[in-house]
Amino acid sequence: DVVMTQSPLSLPVTLGQPASISCRSSQGLVYSDGNAYLSWLQQRPGQSPRRLIYKVSIRDSGVPDRFSGSGSGTDFTLKISRVEAEDVGIYYCMQGTHWPPWTFGQGTKVEI
Amino acid sequence: QLQLQESGPGLVKPSETLSLTCTVSGGSISSSGYYWGWIRQPPGKGLEWIGSDSYTETTFYNPSLKSRVTITLDTSKNQFSLKLSSVTAADTAVYYCARYRNGWHDFDYWGQGILVTVSS
Repeated sequence: DVVMTQSPLSLPVTLGQPASISCRSSQGLVYSDGNAYLSWLQQRPGQSPRRLIYKVSIRDSGVPDRFSGSGSGTDFTLKISRVEAEDVGIYYCMQGTHWPPWTFGQGTKVEI
Repeated sequence: QLQLQESGPGLVKPSETLSLTCTVSGGSISSSGYYWGWIRQPPGKGLEWIGSDSYTETTFYNPSLKSRVTITLDTSKNQFSLKLSSVTAADTAVYYCARYRNGWHDFDYWGQGILVTVSS
């Protein structure tokens, strides 16, 4: 199974300041079609997960452009350019390249 | 807009079978190119994929749960279900149903989740 390791697990942030979350996979995430399938999910308090970014860097419809995803191989990053209060929650990375099983990172808790 | 809604008992006794249903609206579960899956989240912990089924493809289960899990589709009701047998307290979790897109390799729509507690 591919192990997804996120860091940090807890991220205190300041409103208006940038934030960054790292996700590392135990195997490279390039699929047979040449693409890497890494997505980021946001889980606000008391809510179900919501997809933010897929295929490493494609933002979902309605996701603010302050969120961006990048990376390749085994190292991936989610960045928030300027944190807003509504960004509080837990962020998960998920790999969709080596399945089954689909696997998630442990989650990073973002708090003001 | 696709919507998924979990339903089922919120309390299950140890050694019994957990049964949940996910009702899909705004789209058909018989559409090709998608898997319909279950993911769970124990209290205060992360996400664990349980299994996924498709109208046109093979069913996949997490090897750690495979001996106890069954996922089936009911196209007449546009629902899919989860059965997890011989439950223990370790199976206490919020259970989510979600749609997986084959072409993009991600879970794009999630239900709101249902808390299932295993206790006598």
